[in-house]
Parts: sequence; C-alpha cells; structure tokens
Amino acid sequence: GAGVSQSPSNKVTEKGKDVELRCDPISGHTALYWYRQSLGQGLEFLIYFQGNSAPDKSGLPSDRFSAERTGGSVSTLTIQRTQQEDSAVYLCASSLGGSGVKREQYFGPGTRLTVT
Amino acid sequence: QQQVKQSPQSLIVQKGGISIINCAYENTAFDYFPWYQQFPGKGPALLIAIRPDVSEKKEGRFTISFNKSAKQFSLHIMDSQPGDSATYFCAATDWGISSGSARQLTFGSGTQLTVLP
Repeated sequence: GAGVSQSPSNKVTEKGKDVELRCDPISGHTALYWYRQSLGQGLEFLIYFQGNSAPDKSGLPSDRFSAERTGGSVSTLTIQRTQQEDSAVYLCASSLGGSGVKREQYFGPGTRLTVT
Repeated sequence: QQQVKQSPQSLIVQKGGISIINCAYENTAFDYFPWYQQFPGKGPALLIAIRPDVSEKKEGRFTISFNKSAKQFSLHIMDSQPGDSATYFCAATDWGISSGSARQLTFGSGTQLTVLP
C-alpha cells in the first residue's frame, strides 16, 4: 500500500512569509507525528495527533508553529512569519495507534524548507 | 536534556565486517527502541525494533542487543555491505496512556556509516 506522503518536497520562501506543509498518513493510521531535522539539532519532535484526542504540542519551538489534522487523516503544519532558523527538513510519520502492540512509526520523504 | 546518547558519530567498516553502533538512554519509562536507516534525501526507514523484555532481536544481518540494567542498546550489522552506507539513528519512546498511542520518538544524534568495497 501507499506510504506516508508529504508535499511539497521542497519549499523556498522569503523571511517573514507564512508556509504550509502537508502530510498524508498511511490509510488507517490514527497517530500522526511531525518532526524536524536540521544539521545542528538532529531529529526533533514537534507535535503529534492521536485520533480525536487533543494533540501533544509540547515540541513546538514557538507560537509561530501550529498544526491541524482534518478528519483524522491529512495534517497541515503551518509556520507563520518564517525565520532563517526555520530552515530544515520537516518530516511526518504515522503509526497504527490505538494498541499497545503496534508502535512502529513510518516516515514520509520530508519537505525541505529553505528560508532566504 | 539529551535523553538518548548515540556513538560513534561516524564509522568506517570494510565490506564483510561487523558494524556496531551504541546507544544509551536515561528515561526509564521508555519501553520501545527502534533503529532507523536514512539515505541522503530520504526519510528515515524503520529497520528493526526491540522491547525491554528481550535481550536480543535478530532480523537478517541486523541484530539489536539490549541491556535493561545498563540502559543501553546497540545495533550490530553483520557482513556489512557498501549498500548499508547510510546514517543510522537509534530512538526510544514510551506509551501515552491518555492518548492511547505511542508517544513521540526521542532520537539519538545519528551515526554515519561508510562501508568500503
């Protein structure tokens, strides 16, 4: 079946602009995670959604970052007033969720964001 | 606070050799430990994972060894091949009781493996 997909694959934006990054999880996966990968910080957790529960936003670096998940499927990560330090690869992962047995998180290819 | 420490940062191995990457964790609530393989320009791909109730898990050429008392785990790649050249990340997570799903992964800093032909 199809894996996690993300769009766009690359995004170049000017400092101060807003950007939206999209994630389509694996069909049937109820848990969805956003991570950020940058040279200096490695792989960092941003936010995760599980079904209809309130999202865990504890990893969001500032209030310029937000995310939503519509209909329990597609998710959008929004970065407002982008800064150069936001340049990174944004990765989305999904997991079956809802069970203590299945823990595997599967990653998409990522969106490379460059803020000029 | 870095909760998962990974070493070495880089590793060069001859074809056919054994590659060993080590990780140590601090949070005793962690109960699931996956390893990911990442090629340039790609997302991390799940390689193998272990739970703390077993000390070793083997899948093909890849083996995880787990030492719960020392809070350490390691990845062994037997008969290393040039195609194994990639960045490897260890990770750890625990279970979110309120959310009913695995919580976020905490990653090690990564090991860049080069297997020479």
